[in-house]
Amino acid sequence: DVKVTQSSRYLVKRTGEKVFLECVQDMDHENMFWYRQDPGLGLRLIYFSYDVKMKEKGDIPEGYSVSREKKERFSLILESASTNQTSMYLCASSLRLQAIGEQYFGPGTRLTVT
Amino acid sequence: AQSVSQHNHHVILSEAASLELGCNYSYGGTVNLFWYVQYPGQHLQLLLKYFSGDPLVKGIKGFEAEFIKSKFSFNLRKPSVQWSDTAEYFCAVIGSYIPTFGRGTSLIVHP
Repeated sequence: DVKVTQSSRYLVKRTGEKVFLECVQDMDHENMFWYRQDPGLGLRLIYFSYDVKMKEKGDIPEGYSVSREKKERFSLILESASTNQTSMYLCASSLRLQAIGEQYFGPGTRLTVT
Repeated sequence: AQSVSQHNHHVILSEAASLELGCNYSYGGTVNLFWYVQYPGQHLQLLLKYFSGDPLVKGIKGFEAEFIKSKFSFNLRKPSVQWSDTAEYFCAVIGSYIPTFGRGTSLIVHP
């Protein structure tokens, strides 16, 4: 089974802090994604990556950056956390570009910014 | 830009009732379509997918969805729901390798 793990289930940070969310997948998937999930808004794509060192902006990249130095790891960075970034963050991966929609999701990180 | 609309935000049914959740999308080209489900306390998981061919696709746990190209729709159906189907359901569209999810439908099934 594909396993997507996220470094923390719950995180509380202060406004202005730099926040790192880590995601690791163990099945040699090419594509990785970061979403935020908010009630009533569904999943919104923040960034995704087709390959190592590649990144593409999603629908809501403002205030976020990403890093993919190794194929299995995709990090989401909040440069200066703000209260409107309080949310559930979901990481996902998919095998290859042609199957990009067949995504495997991690358990999520619930981030609270105070 | 592509978009996805799920019309039903909250659905409440009794066990054995039939289910249909609406999903409409907008995109000018070829799309791949998906339904994902998130059971309480669990990860999002793929329920079913459509790439091409037979527009009626079957997924896990007795769910099916029909792609109607002329209506830009991909509605999810189940003839008889169970209490264990209580979950949040998300429709997703892939166009030009970019995924877009709908806002989700919360389904509650009463025993």
